[in-house]
Amino acid sequence: NAGVTQTPKFQVLKTGQSMTLQCAQDMNHNSMYWYRQDPGMGLRLIYYSASEGTTDKGEVPNGYNVSRLNKREFSLRLESAAPSQTSVYFCASSEDISGGWSTDTQYFGPGTRLTVL
Amino acid sequence: QKEVEQNSGPLSVPEGAIASLNCTYSDRGSQSFFWYRQYSGKSPELIMSIYSNGDKEDGRFTAQLNKASQYVSLLIRDSQPSDSATYLCAVKARGGYQKVTFGTGTKLQVIP
Repeated sequence: NAGVTQTPKFQVLKTGQSMTLQCAQDMNHNSMYWYRQDPGMGLRLIYYSASEGTTDKGEVPNGYNVSRLNKREFSLRLESAAPSQTSVYFCASSEDISGGWSTDTQYFGPGTRLTVL
Repeated sequence: QKEVEQNSGPLSVPEGAIASLNCTYSDRGSQSFFWYRQYSGKSPELIMSIYSNGDKEDGRFTAQLNKASQYVSLLIRDSQPSDSATYLCAVKARGGYQKVTFGTGTKLQVIP
């Protein structure tokens, strides 16, 4: 099991360029998440997908779009990159037994380090 | 007030000592609490989860939860240099989806 994989590992963009960050998990998890991590800000949720076919905004969704392509894959797109989007991006997944009490753990991918010039 | 607060550190402890990491949260209805460890340049990995008041032990790690005081802590006994990392406290709020809020983390340095 590879767990959660992300591509690319590193990326440098110029302002205004677009790109898609890819994420896949092989744990048959229902829920998937995209976070960004900035110094002193902790992990902030960008978007999440509670199940295949659904996506919802998190804390900092502006400037991003997502696609839950199937149960395994969840991509994050930057349509017009800005320097403020320079960050480390983590994808995560959890089993997410829907409704009520859950003991879910989130499993993280290795991250994508994005620099926007 | 931040939803999940941690002292950023660094917290320095000598090898073999007990490291005590603390976290407070604001949502009184929070139900699930997690400690993640993150090495520099790496992704977070779960160390402990705790759901009810009291202590939960796993090897050298003990998580403590006090919902009345809205306080969760992580104790690391016999600290090793390999424990040097940033420790993230995470809290799952009540609600219709699996929202987990992370603290900004406490950097722990174990001095040989």
